[in-house]
Amino acid sequence: DAKTTQPPSMDCAEGRAANLPCNHSTISGNEYVYWYRQIHSQGPQYIIHGLKNNETNEMASLIITEDRKSSTLILPHATLRDTAVYYCIVRVANNYGQNFVFGPGTRLSVLP
Amino acid sequence: SAVISQKPSRDICQRGTSLTIQCQVDSQVTMMFWYRQQPGQSLTLIATANQGSEATYESGFVIDKFPISRPNLTFSTLTVSNMSPEDSSIYLCSVRDPFGTDTQYFGPGTRLTVL
Repeated sequence: DAKTTQPPSMDCAEGRAANLPCNHSTISGNEYVYWYRQIHSQGPQYIIHGLKNNETNEMASLIITEDRKSSTLILPHATLRDTAVYYCIVRVANNYGQNFVFGPGTRLSVLP
Repeated sequence: SAVISQKPSRDICQRGTSLTIQCQVDSQVTMMFWYRQQPGQSLTLIATANQGSEATYESGFVIDKFPISRPNLTFSTLTVSNMSPEDSSIYLCSVRDPFGTDTQYFGPGTRLTVL
């Protein structure tokens, strides 16, 4: 079973920040939060991951609450090309015996 | 990051036939994975393919239906055998990052339609 819950869908206006929430209330101390996205008809694309500190890269920011039971992926200036299904996954880092388990994700629609 | 290609990108097949999907990576990787994505669904892991050993299948998937080869560190094949319309899906190859970061990269997928 997936260890995360996400809203099934969200809309965002082009140019505005997209804030995608994820609940992971049973996360363990050594589990990281990963985000991937899947644009229609393509393979999933890695976005970002983190343990407890907030992380930022060229694609997005990841905000993890202090109790680590939830997180938010932020796309600061959403474009039409950000329309995709976004997956939040928790797993132990560098655990080669544990694979990425994909839940249903959040379908983000960026509207013009 | 690793660059992954798959062949074919799509195919339409007849019931009862078999299709072999190829996955090529531009770097040597230890762990390769095959996923299935049924229409409108999320990804489901079929098996893990490690070079030099037999593939490890997830619950609900068997070697007779989905035989996998892993002849070297940059290549793998997945065969979908004795196909039925229920096998219509996107099949995705994936690899663990060969450069040490704990991320996983995915190929573009093979869209299979079984008539």
